[in-house]
Amino acid sequence: GQNIDQPTEMTATEGAIVQINCTYQTSGFNGLFWYQQHAGEAPTFLSYNVLDGLEEKGRFSSFLSRSKGYSYLLLKELQMKDSASYLCAVVDSNYQLIWGAGTKLIIKP
Amino acid sequence: DAEITQSPRHKITETGRQVTLACHQTWNHNNMFWYRQDLGHGLRLIHYSYGVQDTNKGEVSDGYSVSRSNTEDLPLTLESAASSQTSVYFCASSEKSEYTGELFFGEGSRLTVL
Repeated sequence: GQNIDQPTEMTATEGAIVQINCTYQTSGFNGLFWYQQHAGEAPTFLSYNVLDGLEEKGRFSSFLSRSKGYSYLLLKELQMKDSASYLCAVVDSNYQLIWGAGTKLIIKP
Repeated sequence: DAEITQSPRHKITETGRQVTLACHQTWNHNNMFWYRQDLGHGLRLIHYSYGVQDTNKGEVSDGYSVSRSNTEDLPLTLESAASSQTSVYFCASSEKSEYTGELFFGEGSRLTVL
């Protein structure tokens, strides 16, 4: 079967750095997305990786290793507004999006 | 500004009733999707459409139907609502196919089936 694993919940301190991991076992791979979802709101796009390496976008960076079936989202200089769920999603060989259950990130002052 | 809107945002219904959730986008996107989101699960695809008159089943399509008569709208119908269909439903659209482009999501419709 296809599986995407993310930690259920993480806690971090305002101003710090946090890394949210995502591991996947899917039938093929055609890219990986990260979305942010605030409580009670819609998911919004953060990043897309299809090649190995690090993609940086302001305070957020996303890393991919296809050989290890692994990605992480790195958030720097954490702000209270970063409290949200972070969703990892993989495009499989049939070009279907497989979603992880999401990681709830709690930021403490 | 272009947007994607869902209605109603909240709905309570009874088992066996037919329910329709509306989704309207002004992005002029060809691709539209319906997902459900439940605690402990990732988003699960119900139905999707790549253009007018095109509809396809997702992984959890049983008990749901969609129709695409124009570019802007993809209504989701629950033919006979069941308690297992209590969930938050998200409509989304994309310009490119979903695996190469970002999805734009509506604000969600929370459905409770009693």
